Order: sequence, then structure tokens, then C-alpha cells
Amino acid sequence: QKEVEQDPGPLSVPEGAIVSLNCTYSNSAFQYFMWYRQYSRKGPELLMYTYSSGNKEDGRFTAQVDKSSKYISLFIRDSQPSDSATYLCAMSEMTGNQFYFGTGTSLTVIP
Amino acid sequence: GAGVSQSPRYKVAKRGQDVALRCDPISGHVSLFWYQQALGQGPEFLTYFQNEAQLDKSGLPSDRFFAERPEGSVSTLKIQRTQQEDSAVYLCASSLIGGGLGEQFFGPGTRLTVL
Repeated sequence: QKEVEQDPGPLSVPEGAIVSLNCTYSNSAFQYFMWYRQYSRKGPELLMYTYSSGNKEDGRFTAQVDKSSKYISLFIRDSQPSDSATYLCAMSEMTGNQFYFGTGTSLTVIP
Repeated sequence: GAGVSQSPRYKVAKRGQDVALRCDPISGHVSLFWYQQALGQGPEFLTYFQNEAQLDKSGLPSDRFFAERPEGSVSTLKIQRTQQEDSAVYLCASSLIGGGLGEQFFGPGTRLTVL
């Protein structure tokens, strides 16, 4: 079993829809939780960075962390065609040197 | 300012050949990471440098993989006697601070195809 599980999709939604992306994990030592966006043939770019449990909002993006359930989510409001990409969750331990990534969810927003 | 750059962007190698992949991190970034991303998968950690010191190489899949960062800036990932299972995108990331807590800025990757 991988440390981080993420549904690969693909996910296809109409423009303006609310998108929900999720990851589960098994390592209770994870303290930092991140969401990256990766366009085709590009490197991942950081969208959201959260420490421990709680919610964080940035424009149309909201990240939620529920450490008791070992479950994190990314919500995208008013989705746009430019949001079409692969979304990767990533996690790290307090004293770790590496990020642990999910497999990524492929999202297409249809105009 | 310039981001993380990697070269070559694409590399085709015959099985058994040696390859060298280069990463130029953001100037002044202390930490440098290498990841391997197979098709349809998320990045998998290979190794980590803090300045010129390789502090973690637990993700290197075999002794055919070797990485160095001799002057604490540019890094090279070398794969000896390439195998078909080495085909993947190799991503480099750098971070301003030490350890795995700072934001990691990724390069575009080198797509390696082993025939």
C-alpha cells in the first residue's frame, strides 16, 4: 500500500462547476500538506500549502486537512478551462527531507 | 528571475548506455531534490542535497543511479547501464531553506526514453 492514495480520475466538469479533489494517507507523522498543479510536459507548481489540520483559502481554491481521518481535500470554485491540469497532493513529515506525492488527478474543465 | 532549468529536456538512450541529466537550481537555493515520475504517476523521491552534501539518497532505485552537486549549485544525475524501466521524467526541485519543509520549485523535467 502506498503512503498516499489519490484517485487518478480522469475528472471532467463543465466550466463554473465546483471541483473536489481528495487524497488519503496512512502515515500519521505527516504534518505538512500541499497541492501542486502540473500542466502537460511541465514541472509541478505549488498551489496550496497547509500545516496540520484546518482549512486554508486562496482565491477560488480551498484546502482542507482532516488529520483524524487522514484525509485532505482541494476545492476549486467557479472552475475555468485554464484549470485543466493534473493535480497532485504531497505531504511531508516535520523532520523529513522528502515530499510524498499522490498519483495525481487529471482534471478537464469543459467550456 | 530564472526558475529551475534542466537539460536536456528529452533524452533517448539505447539500453546499456550511460546518461547524465543536469539541473540548474534557482540561485541561492540551499536544497536540491531529484524525483522520478513514471507515466501516470506522481513524482517519487530519489535524493536530496543540502548545499554540496548529499543528505538522503534513500530513493535511488539501484547502484546504477548516482547524483552529485560538487559546488552546491548545479547538480547532475547519472544513470549507468540504462534499462527500459528507467524510462521516466526526471524532475529536479530546489528550495530556499534546508530540509523538506520549504516550498519546492520544480524544473520542467528531463524525459528519458530507454529503447
